[in-house]
Amino acid sequence: EAGVTQFPSHSVIEKGQTVTLRCDPISGHDNLYWYRRVMGKEIKFLLHFVKESKQDESGMPNNRFLAERTGGTYSTLKVQPAELEDSGVYFCASSQDRRGGAKNIQYFGAGTRLSVL
Amino acid sequence: AQSVTQLGSHVSVSEGALVLLRCNYSSSVPPYLFWYVQYPNQGLQLLLKYTTGATLVKGINGFEAEFKKSETSFHLTKPSAHMSDAAEYFCAVSGYGNEKLTFGTGTRLTIIP
Repeated sequence: EAGVTQFPSHSVIEKGQTVTLRCDPISGHDNLYWYRRVMGKEIKFLLHFVKESKQDESGMPNNRFLAERTGGTYSTLKVQPAELEDSGVYFCASSQDRRGGAKNIQYFGAGTRLSVL
Repeated sequence: AQSVTQLGSHVSVSEGALVLLRCNYSSSVPPYLFWYVQYPNQGLQLLLKYTTGATLVKGINGFEAEFKKSETSFHLTKPSAHMSDAAEYFCAVSGYGNEKLTFGTGTRLTIIP
């Protein structure tokens, strides 16, 4: 069974450009999460989808970040325009269904390393 | 609100020695606690978790952790370190009604041959 897959693994862009990160969750997982780790700091929650609906987007830093999950399958996270402080590693995770709630195990992808120059 | 503190961003132990990685948490609801490990160029992998029940939790690769409510701790241990344990370890907390994980800053474990 395939795990959580993220594309690209590394992206280098200039300030002001647009970047789109993609996450393919484990097949059948209703829950999809985005997290970010800025260098040297903790991994921080960005948002949580249940199927195609945003359940919690309290961690999104500002309106330059847009997350979508069309049809409840893969998700994209777009940063437009990118700023220097957006550099970091963006992780995606998925978990199974609603019944387990917070007890659900979240399975993580390898992350996308974003460098904004 | 929830928070996690991991003492020691870098820990070095000799091969065969005890591994002890410290994690303290703060939570306004009964916590669910997790340890994840990240090997180079890989995603975070769950080592073990505590939700309810037995406070001593055993995980993969010989690791275990004990939930101590009175100390608000969830330290990770392994009796004998192996070279393959070299990685970065993250402690995380969530709780009933709050599915997002709150992570500590991570501890990078180095094994000395």
